Amino acid sequence: EVQLVESGGGLVQPGGSLRLSCAASKFTFSSYWMGWVRQAPGKGLEWVAIINQDGSDRYYVDSLKGRFTISRDNAENSLYLQVNSLRAGDTAVYYCSRAGIPGSIDSWGQGTLVTVSS
Amino acid sequence: DVVMTQSPLSLPVTLGQPASISCRSSQSLVNSDGNTYLNWFQQRPGQSPRRLIYKVSNRDSGVPDRFSGSGSGTDFTLKISRVEAEDVGVYHCMQGTHWPWTFGQGTKVEIK
Repeated sequence: EVQLVESGGGLVQPGGSLRLSCAASKFTFSSYWMGWVRQAPGKGLEWVAIINQDGSDRYYVDSLKGRFTISRDNAENSLYLQVNSLRAGDTAVYYCSRAGIPGSIDSWGQGTLVTVSS
Repeated sequence: DVVMTQSPLSLPVTLGQPASISCRSSQSLVNSDGNTYLNWFQQRPGQSPRRLIYKVSNRDSGVPDRFSGSGSGTDFTLKISRVEAEDVGVYHCMQGTHWPWTFGQGTKVEIK
C-alpha cells in the first residue's frame, strides 16, 4: 500500500519560513507526478503545487507563486515544499499527494499542520 | 481558474435512503485528449481525503458499489444508493482538466 508521510509543520510567526517534507514508500516514487494540497481549518481543499517525475515541470497556484517552492529528490523518495513569507491565511493542514493518473490524486498522506501566528 | 460549485453544502440523510450531490464547473471539463477529469473524494471526520471516483464514473478499488458517479461537460453527480453510517463525512469534487486543479466547497453528509 502506498505510504506518504509528511513532516515539518509547526507553529511559525508571520513572515517566517518552513520546509515541509513527504517521505514516500511502497511505490516507485520517480514514476509519478506529486503534489501538495492544503486545507485551512474547517475549510475546503486547495491545490498548492504539483511537480512532474524528474522535477523539470512545476505548476503553482498563481496566488502562491513566488512564496512556495515545490521540489523532489528521487534518490531519497522525498517531496518537499519550501514555504516563505508565511501569513495567517497559510494556516492549514498540508497534504502530500500522488497523482496516479492524469487529472487525479490516488493517494494522500496524513497531513502536517502549519500554524502561522504571533 | 475553473470554479467548482457543489450543492447542497449540507445533506442530512436517513440511514438506508439515497443521497445525491451535484457538482457544476464554470467551464467544460472535457480535456483535449477526450477524457473528462472529474473526481470525487470522501473525507471522513479527522481523516485525509480518499478518492472514490475518477474520470466521472470510475469507482476506485474497494469502494462500495452503492457509490456511483455520472455526468458530462459541466454537470456532475455523486450518488449514494443507500446511505450507511460509515458514509458520514465531507464529499469533495475536483477537476483535473485545467491547471490549477480545483475543488468544490465540499458537501457535509450527516445522518438525520
